[in-house]
Amino acid sequence: KAGVTQTPRYLIKTRGQQVTLSCSPISGHRSVSWYQQTPGQGLQFLFEYFSETQRNKGNFPGRFSGRQFSNSRSEMNVSTLELGDSALYLCASSLGDSWPKAFFGQGTRLTVV
Amino acid sequence: QKEVEQNSGPLSVPEGAIASLNCTYSDRGSQSFFWYRQYSGKSPELIMSIYSNGDKEDGRFTAQLNKASQYVSLLIRDSQPSDSATYLCAVSSGGSNYKLTFGKGTLLTVNP
Repeated sequence: KAGVTQTPRYLIKTRGQQVTLSCSPISGHRSVSWYQQTPGQGLQFLFEYFSETQRNKGNFPGRFSGRQFSNSRSEMNVSTLELGDSALYLCASSLGDSWPKAFFGQGTRLTVV
Repeated sequence: QKEVEQNSGPLSVPEGAIASLNCTYSDRGSQSFFWYRQYSGKSPELIMSIYSNGDKEDGRFTAQLNKASQYVSLLIRDSQPSDSATYLCAVSSGGSNYKLTFGKGTLLTVNP
């Protein structure tokens, strides 16, 4: 069974630009969550999607947005990039029931210069 | 603010010893508890899940949950150098809350 696939693996962007990250969940999983991981803050929840609907959102500014498609693939977008957005962005896939056993992709390492 | 606390470590144990990793959480309504292992430069890997009080064993790993004390632990028996990693505790409130709250992780080093 294929795991969670995130693309691209690495990105370097300039301040003020925008970026789109992609995530393909495990086959049969309908929930996709996004997390930001930094050395100082650890893993922080961005948002979760299930059947194309955002069910939960973390405490991030509106520059961070996401969506989910009918095939459960998800994208997240960060607009007007700031240096502090440099992080590892992780996507997690789960069945979407009340017991969120989540499996992570390899992550996208975003560097903002 | 719902929090998950872990000792940052580093925790250093000799090869073959038992490594004990601890985690406390603040939300009494939490229902699902997970341990992830993260090697340097890699993404978190799910190694244990536990939902009810007591112990759950899987190979060399045992997860322990005490909801009254709001405490979760992970024991690694016969520790190997390949177990050297950061261990992340994650908690979910379940129900309509579909997110995991993570501790900042404990760095474990197993010395040959």
